[in-house]
Amino acid sequence: EIVLTQSPATLSLSPGERTTLSCRASQSVSSYLAWYQQKPGQAPRLLIYDASNRATGIPARFSGSGSGTDFTLTISSLEPEDFAVYYCQQRSNWPPEYTFGQGTKLEIK
Amino acid sequence: EVQLVESGGDLVQPGRSLRLSCAASGFTFDEHAMHWVRQAPGRGLEWVSGINWNSGSRGYADSVKGRFTISRDNAKNSLYLQLNSLRAADTALYYCAKDITHYYDSSGYSAFDMWGQGTMVTVSS
Repeated sequence: EIVLTQSPATLSLSPGERTTLSCRASQSVSSYLAWYQQKPGQAPRLLIYDASNRATGIPARFSGSGSGTDFTLTISSLEPEDFAVYYCQQRSNWPPEYTFGQGTKLEIK
Repeated sequence: EVQLVESGGDLVQPGRSLRLSCAASGFTFDEHAMHWVRQAPGRGLEWVSGINWNSGSRGYADSVKGRFTISRDNAKNSLYLQLNSLRAADTALYYCAKDITHYYDSSGYSAFDMWGQGTMVTVSS
């Protein structure tokens, strides 16, 4: 099973700041990595798929990069609504199974 | 409006069974793979099961293999999850999620671009 490790576990920042969240895979996942945002009491929302493609309706301040085992999600300038938990997710080819990282909580400083 | 609505969650005793349903609307249901993802209280996300657009292939997490069964009825725009031999560790909010691709098991990228609000399953005596 491919394990995804996200860092840091918690990030305390202020609106307007730039931030980078990390996701590391235990073995190569090519570019097949997605990022989700989850706010309290809400379902997750897809932000990025295939490492760097923004999902429909996602603001341009969100960007993803990486391939192989190391991936990042960058938020160029934090808005108040961006404070949430962020998860990365991969799909391994065989056996086909999906795993999520443990999440990074982005909180207001 | 594009929507996924789960139902069927309940409080059940260990060893009992439950069937979850997910009603889809606002998109072409039979063009997409579908999944169940769960989230235990205060915990992260765990993929449970996925199924191809045509039910031709389906898969499960090791934690539920042999106990849970995923199915779909494209004529009814509905996804199901049969949960048998339930354990306390199965207690979670169960989400239905739409894949951006047709196949849950093909090579290439995959992601879940739509989620329901979830249905709560509590396993306790």
